[in-house]
Amino acid sequence: DVKVTQSSRYLVKRTGEKVFLECVQDMDHENMFWYRQDPGLGLRLIYFSYDVKMKEKGDIPEGYSVSREKKERFSLILESASTNQTSMYLCASSFPTGDYGYTFGSGTRLTVV
Amino acid sequence: QKEVEQNSGPLSVPEGAIASLNCTYSDRGSQSFFWYRQYSGKSPELIMFIYSNGDKEDGRFTAQLNKASQYVSLLIRDSQPSDSATYLCAVNWGGGADGLTFGKGTHLIIQP
Repeated sequence: DVKVTQSSRYLVKRTGEKVFLECVQDMDHENMFWYRQDPGLGLRLIYFSYDVKMKEKGDIPEGYSVSREKKERFSLILESASTNQTSMYLCASSFPTGDYGYTFGSGTRLTVV
Repeated sequence: QKEVEQNSGPLSVPEGAIASLNCTYSDRGSQSFFWYRQYSGKSPELIMFIYSNGDKEDGRFTAQLNKASQYVSLLIRDSQPSDSATYLCAVNWGGGADGLTFGKGTHLIIQP
């Protein structure tokens, strides 16, 4: 069964901490994405990557960075966590054209206190 | 600005009836269209995709696409309480690696 795996289901971090969210896919997808989802705001794209070591800013990249050292792994980094980054974080992957849609990971519910 | 619009709901439908979910999009050149189901606290799950004008059926689900009117819909026949979820419409503009644009979703409630 093909999968996108996010390392943590729930995470609680303190303000100012550096936070790493990990995502691994086993579908040999070229594209990978990080979204956050908040009530009433829908899915908002933070960053995406279309190849190893390549990254592009999405709609809300401020306060985040990403790393893609291997094709199957895409990491989201919160350099200095703040309470307004409390959210559900969703990783997804797809083939280059997106024609078959995305496969999402199970999500990480991050709470920053 | 490419946009995907959905009525947020909630849309309340009695069990056994047909649920009809609608989505409009702004870019006439859009190429492929997707419906995702998302249960509360869970991640989105792909349930249907459609590329061509007309209807596409899969079990109790039917996706309908009208490119001239720029809308796509999802029909759920014989609705069950387990269909209660938020349904996200997504559109692939086909122009770049940033992929799909999602609507904010319609919250569907199936009343037993």
